[in-house]
Amino acid sequence: DAKTTQPTSMDCAEGRAANLPCNHSTISGNEYVYWYRQIHSQGPQYIIHGLKNNETNEMASLIITEDRKSSTLILPHATLRDTAVYYCIVRVASQGGSEKLVFGKGTKLTVNP
Amino acid sequence: EPEVTQTPSHQVTQMGQEVILRCVPISNHLYFYWYRQILGQKVEFLVSFYNNEISEKSEIFDDQFSVERPDGSNFTLKIRSTKLEDSAMYFCASSADRGWTDTQYFGPGTRLTVL
Repeated sequence: DAKTTQPTSMDCAEGRAANLPCNHSTISGNEYVYWYRQIHSQGPQYIIHGLKNNETNEMASLIITEDRKSSTLILPHATLRDTAVYYCIVRVASQGGSEKLVFGKGTKLTVNP
Repeated sequence: EPEVTQTPSHQVTQMGQEVILRCVPISNHLYFYWYRQILGQKVEFLVSFYNNEISEKSEIFDDQFSVERPDGSNFTLKIRSTKLEDSAMYFCASSADRGWTDTQYFGPGTRLTVL
């Protein structure tokens, strides 16, 4: 799986949009970008994933650049409950690909009141 | 909303003892996983399981570890002779389809403390 690079930490004001960047410059054509988050020591929580088009769900939006070498997770109106470690993971989506998720260190997002 | 559940939430054991961690995956899911996270470190993959057999395992998953789906709802991780370094959070996950095509959903974890 392609390696990802994320900032170690970020801060955001409550009610504002949180934009979390991820670089995945070695991503292959069949690799998806997945985002998970982990609140304190809870289990990782799935947020969103995409291949090349931008995606939106009830939790967040995912913007993937045209060359797919980077992406941004957007939490449109961050709340204190969004304080967590956010993981960007790229995964092969083809027969024979590894099933495991490879977690990096992620970005520690702190939402401030 | 369906969710993965795990029991117990916290397990304390003596070094050398056997422990069994239990998970109930989401009911229509067919693929099951165990991950662990040592305090302050990354979440690490241990094993994936499908159709009553291991489909992938990591170097961490040595002979001390085993997994089983004893009935239609439970998925267990057994550590035969626990070591101090097995102390960690253990997360179970499940997915409806193969892990590379479908989303894995995680349980809340079991904190294992080995004394």
